[in-house]
Amino acid sequence: EPEVTQTPSHQVTQMGQEVILRCVPISNHLYFYWYRQILGQKVEFLVSFYNNEISEKSEIFDDQFSVERPDGSNFTLKIRSTKLEDSAMYFCASSSDYLSEQYFGPGTRLTVT
Amino acid sequence: GENVEQHPSTLSVQEGDSAVIKCTYSDSASNYFPWYKQELGKRPQLIIDIRSNVGEKKDQRIAVTLNKTAKHFSLHITETQPEDSAVYFCAASESGGSYIPTFGRGTSLIVHP
Repeated sequence: EPEVTQTPSHQVTQMGQEVILRCVPISNHLYFYWYRQILGQKVEFLVSFYNNEISEKSEIFDDQFSVERPDGSNFTLKIRSTKLEDSAMYFCASSSDYLSEQYFGPGTRLTVT
Repeated sequence: GENVEQHPSTLSVQEGDSAVIKCTYSDSASNYFPWYKQELGKRPQLIIDIRSNVGEKKDQRIAVTLNKTAKHFSLHITETQPEDSAVYFCAASESGGSYIPTFGRGTSLIVHP
């Protein structure tokens, strides 16, 4: 069964540095999402992406964040000038259609020191 | 914005018992309600969802009910098994012009053999 993959599984970075989290959605999916989950807390929606542009974003997704689909397979989340509070698990997800089942990747644990 | 409350935060049952998790939401425009299961250290997985045009949906041992008037929806798991042990998240979103899901804080379900 096809799966969403994410790399790296764990990223440690220093405060102020930029990080890029990578995702490979399921190949025939058209909608892509990023979520974050601070340890022990609820999942929070960050952004959705369709047709090479952002379709929705939450209040969390400020100018510090950006997303890109640099080629036909990867979907990236860039966090500029990381802060301690950016430490969380970041999940990528994809779906074949709007509001059809979203398949989550295994997540990237980001630790900002 | 939307606010989703989820109860209880922890639910402990004996194998074979039923489990019920309840969520309330605040935005009457919300009309799509997915439920996710997240096992420890793993990715969230959609287990069932419901749209506002129906009041109940069943899938084997899992059912979801929706009361739009009262703005609450519930997950029912019958004949619980130890492998049902996980954190369950409800979510609510509008499915019309935008999809910005708001998640509940999660319920840790523990099924004792």
